[in-house]
This record gives sequence, structure tokens and C-alpha cells, in this order.
Amino acid sequence: NAGVTQTPKFQVLKTGQSMTLQCAQDMNHNSMYWYRQDPGMGLRLIYYSASEGTTDKGEVPNGYNVSRLNKREFSLRLESAAPSQTSVYFCASREDRGYNSPLHFGNGTRLTVT
Amino acid sequence: DAKTTQPNSMESNEEEPVHLPCNHSTISGTDYIHWYRQLPSQGPEYVIHGLTSNVNNRMASLAIAEDRKSSTLILHRATLRDAAVYYCILRDVIENYGGSQGNLIFGKGTKLSVKP
Repeated sequence: NAGVTQTPKFQVLKTGQSMTLQCAQDMNHNSMYWYRQDPGMGLRLIYYSASEGTTDKGEVPNGYNVSRLNKREFSLRLESAAPSQTSVYFCASREDRGYNSPLHFGNGTRLTVT
Repeated sequence: DAKTTQPNSMESNEEEPVHLPCNHSTISGTDYIHWYRQLPSQGPEYVIHGLTSNVNNRMASLAIAEDRKSSTLILHRATLRDAAVYYCILRDVIENYGGSQGNLIFGKGTKLSVKP
């Protein structure tokens, strides 16, 4: 199993450009998440999808949109990138809405906005 | 969410046990204690979780104080591959299906260095 796969691994954007970060999981998980991680800080939740067809805002949703395309795929879109969105983005999935099923993370997309 | 406090960094020698502490004095009765770790240039990885009793799995052991205000992650024999940032997180078992159920508050964690 590949687990959680994120593409691209690295990206450089100019301010105002748009792009979509892709995430796919092959574990048949119901829930999927997007986090960002900035230097010296923990992970902060951007958006999540508890099941196919639903999405909800997390702690820091401004400037982002998401699409849960199907059960496998959950994409994150930056419509007009800003330098403050320079970060490492992690996608994660979880088996169900059970209280303690662990999160499985991808290896991240390193985004730089100049 | 209840907060956790961890040392910023710790050092260990290879093949020796490592005890990573976590304080969570405001823990509620329904909070589970979760541990994740993040190796360099990778996403976080689940390690272990528990509620009241000590827990063991193939990666580590979790010792939980009787009053649940602190816990310790134990790596029985540290290897170079265990060098990572270790996060102690509280997760409320009563999750609101309309709320932010995936919002694990990771904090800054403990950076573990392992010396050969």
C-alpha cells in the first residue's frame, strides 16, 4: 500500500498565482484532512472532510478551498497565493470517525510563495 | 482543548531506553493521550495512545500516571532511526460530529537526538 500520497513534493509560486495540491489515499479511509506546518509551530488544521461529499473548515481556512473528489482524493486549492501561505502542507486520512483511530499522514508538499 | 507541556529537546545514546515526559495537568476524564512522532522531512507518524492503563505496542510503551496529569513515552532501545520530534496530544473521546473532530493540537513537541 502506498498510504497517503501527496503531489507535488515541492512548488514555488509567485504572489497571486493559483495552484491545487493533490492528495490520495488507498486505505479506504472515510475522513481526510489538510494541515499546514510552519517553522517552530505545530500542525494547524486547514480543512477536513469527514466523509465523501462533505467538507468543513478547520482552524486556519482563510485563503484555501478544498474538494473531496471521491473517497480516495482530497485536494487543496490556493486561488491567489500569498507569501503568508509559504509552508509545508500535510494531508492525512483516518479510518472512521471513531474516537481514536490514528491519523495517517503523507510526506508533505513544500510550498514557497515569493 | 487541554494543553500539554513537553521539554523542547532530549538526548539519548543508541541502544539505551528513552523516557519522554509529558505534563497535562488540565486533562479531562474523557481525554485520551496520543503520541505521534515526526522524522525529518516526513509527515507525523502515529506511535501509541491510552486512557488510564499503561499501553504497549511494537513501537513503544506509554506509562500514564495514576492521576493522569502526566504520562511518559518509553522507547525501550533507542536507535538512530528514532531521532525525531515527538508530540504528546490530548484527544477528547466525546467528539462532536458537527465540530472539528480532526483538530489534533500538535504543539512543538520534544526533539529527540540519538547519539551512536
